[in-house]
Amino acid sequence: LAKTTQPISMDSYEGQEVNITCSHNNIATNDYITWYQQFPSQGPRFIIQGYKTKVTNEVASLFIPADRKSSTLSLPRVSLSDTAVYYCLVADYGGSQGNLIFGKGTKLSVKP
Amino acid sequence: DGGITQSPKYLFRKEGQNVTLSCEQNLNHDAMYWYRQDPGQGLRLIYYSQIVNDFQKGDIAEGYSVSREKKESFPLTVTSAQKNPTAFYLCASSIGGRPNYGYTFGSGTRLTVV
Repeated sequence: LAKTTQPISMDSYEGQEVNITCSHNNIATNDYITWYQQFPSQGPRFIIQGYKTKVTNEVASLFIPADRKSSTLSLPRVSLSDTAVYYCLVADYGGSQGNLIFGKGTKLSVKP
Repeated sequence: DGGITQSPKYLFRKEGQNVTLSCEQNLNHDAMYWYRQDPGQGLRLIYYSQIVNDFQKGDIAEGYSVSREKKESFPLTVTSAQKNPTAFYLCASSIGGRPNYGYTFGSGTRLTVV
């Protein structure tokens, strides 16, 4: 499994765009990149997943450069309710392994 | 609505007791997982099961046991051999035994030793 590195914490203000970058230098050809969001005392929630270039959904965008050694989760115009821990995961979604590894994630604090 | 139900939400255990945490899913997912989360930490895998009647140890299986007699259910027993069981326990499931479509998590059980 490719190891990921992301900032421990980030601060932002309401209405700003937040970009959280994740480093995964050892990503393999079959690996996909997935981001999860976790609120206090709740289970993580799937946000977005991608393989290369850019993926966008109603919640966020995911930017992946050509070398795929990093990825950036972009949250447009954050609100107080976006305060949460965000996890970056890299896993072989076509392989036989049956579990994901969650690191400590990035704790995002949005202030008014 | 489909989802994963964990119960109870809060659980208190006395020293030396075994307790069982319930996890039920109606998503028709093949794989189910148990994670443990300590304050300020990431999730650590306890056990996982890709099919009925089969399960594998994760990174921190000591002091825990599981069963998978039905596709929908994956209960976790925290035994007296687990010396530091106070934590937040999360159950998850995924399609086809692989995380292709992401994990769906339950809302967790917070276990406290009293």
